[in-house]
Amino acid sequence: GESVGLHLPTLSVQEGDNSIINCAYSNSASDYFIWYKQESGKGPQFIIDIRSNMDKRQGQRVTVLLNKTVKHLSLQIAATQPGDSAVYFCAETRPGRRALTFGSGTRLQVQP
Amino acid sequence: NAGVMQNPRHLVRRRGQEARLRCSPMKGHSHVYWYRQLPEEGLKFMVYLQKENIIDESGMPKERFSAEFPKEGPSILRIQQVVRGDSAAYFCASSPQEEQFFGPGTRLTVL
Repeated sequence: GESVGLHLPTLSVQEGDNSIINCAYSNSASDYFIWYKQESGKGPQFIIDIRSNMDKRQGQRVTVLLNKTVKHLSLQIAATQPGDSAVYFCAETRPGRRALTFGSGTRLQVQP
Repeated sequence: NAGVMQNPRHLVRRRGQEARLRCSPMKGHSHVYWYRQLPEEGLKFMVYLQKENIIDESGMPKERFSAEFPKEGPSILRIQQVVRGDSAAYFCASSPQEEQFFGPGTRLTVL
């Protein structure tokens, strides 16, 4: 069946280091991908998105990379800060379907 | 522009009771989505609605669960005869187009 999953359930980094969170998806028809950040007790917060016609997209301190050949998505956070500590989810949609399929999440812990 | 609003934030029900969860989308958003999240898991899609129409309910359990988005007022997710397995966080999202904005969620606890 279709799925979106993550390689690492927990990632611990030092403040100031760069973080890389990975995500694999199985549906080759997926054409829109989103990264969300979820802090404890809150709803998911949009971070950055990318469409399947792109390989890379940059935001403020964040970069998303898409490798359609191996169906892999990554989120890079530069100069990670304590406020970045949260659970990060990748999600995808495909043409004709608005429902998001979420991965299981990676917990990012930033050590001061 | 207020964000997506959900109420109540916390809801406690005993087995067999009904739970009603409300969602007010962002102003100007006509698409509403409901997701369920179990502890330490990702969100699972339940239903997608536009005003007065259910567009996609492929994630809704066949029994006890229903959703509506009336012409006036908030979207309602209704769970009848709740069971302990319904305990979860229920998130609503709204969108003008593709990007979905999430509310703070309703945490349902079934005793």
